Formats: sequence, structure tokens, C-alpha cells
Amino acid sequence: QKEVEQDPGPLSVPEGAIVSLNCTYSNSAFQYFMWYRQYSRKGPELLMYTYSSGNKEDGRFTAQVDKSSKYISLFIRDSQPSDSATYLCAIPYYGNNRLAFGKGNQVVVIP
Amino acid sequence: EPEVTQTPSHQVTQMGQEVILRCVPISNHLYFYWYRQILGQKVEFLVSFYNNEISEKSEIFDDQFSVERPDGSNFTLKIRSTKLEDSAMYFCASSEDRVGYTFGSGTRLTVV
Repeated sequence: QKEVEQDPGPLSVPEGAIVSLNCTYSNSAFQYFMWYRQYSRKGPELLMYTYSSGNKEDGRFTAQVDKSSKYISLFIRDSQPSDSATYLCAIPYYGNNRLAFGKGNQVVVIP
Repeated sequence: EPEVTQTPSHQVTQMGQEVILRCVPISNHLYFYWYRQILGQKVEFLVSFYNNEISEKSEIFDDQFSVERPDGSNFTLKIRSTKLEDSAMYFCASSEDRVGYTFGSGTRLTVV
């Protein structure tokens, strides 16, 4: 499915660095944009979601939506080793009856 | 924190056998889902369930698959005759509002 695309390359950063993750999406009618975190052998865990455009901040995490470019971003400030996980963008569609996921970025924060 | 519980955590089955994957969604949630993730691939939607019926299903969810809510707490996914390509992690999820989903830890299904 091509509703949302995420470059799945792994990312290694030193502790304290800013992590920047991005996805693009296909349909300008999409309204909700989500970021999930998935630890090894666990299910996806909702980190945060935004509705429509703009920024949303939650602690060290900021989600950003640019509807004109169909581009969503997640920033992690002051990254910690406990942030090491796979981060997936996801968009609900078909009347919010299903989620389309990106492929995920594996992030490793090195102490 | 309420959670979605899935059992078993790992199931190995022979090709052609039936399997039932079990889930206990969060008690006040009304919307239930099954997703799967084949190793190295995206998490894929299978089916959504609301008010005791399927509300949406994907192209993957063919006649070999079925879902049931046999009582007030369990939600099951049955695969009638498993194929090698059904090997994947299967995730159950529930939602109160169809926006915030809570996923279980998954069942790893291995078909041999």
C-alpha cells in the first residue's frame, strides 16, 4: 500500500542528539497523523498524534505536519538509550477503520 | 495502564492446520482490529470489528480468515488452513474512538 511512505533506513545517534524522522503520504484528505514506537518483540505503542496541520509537543517529542507538502515529521530531543526502538508513522483512512503504516525507522541511541 | 492481552505469544503449526489466535481487548473499547507484520515488512491491516460485525477488511482477509467475539471479553482470529506465507506477527488492537489504538504484544505464528 502506498498511502504512507517512510524511508526505512536505520539511524544511529549519540545520546543527547536530536533524532529526526519523516514520512510522506499520498492523500491530501487525511486528517490524523500518528507516530508509534515499537520495541523488539512488542506491539506498536502510540506515541502521539496530530490532527490537521501544525506542531504538537509532548516532552522531548515533537510531531509536525506539513499538509502542503504531505510530509510528517517526528523529532526527539535529548535522545536517550531508552529511545532505541523502531518508530512508525501511521495514518487512519477508510473512515478511520484502518491504519496505514510506514515501514518504520530503527533508531539506536548510543550511550 | 489498561492493556490488550494476546495469547499465545508464539504458535508453531503445520501447513494446512487451523489456528486460533486470541485477544482480550481493553474492556471499555468498542472497536477491535487485527493487523499482521511479516518479517521485514510493514504492519498490515487485516480486519476491523465493531458492534459484533466486520466493519472493514483488507484484500488479505480472504475466506481462510474469520473473526469472532465469542463472549464479552475475547476477540479471536481464526485461520482455517494455514499456509507458509501466513507466518507473521499478528497484532490485536482495540480503540475507544478509532483514533488512538492500543496494540497487544502480538502472537508470532510460524507455519512449517
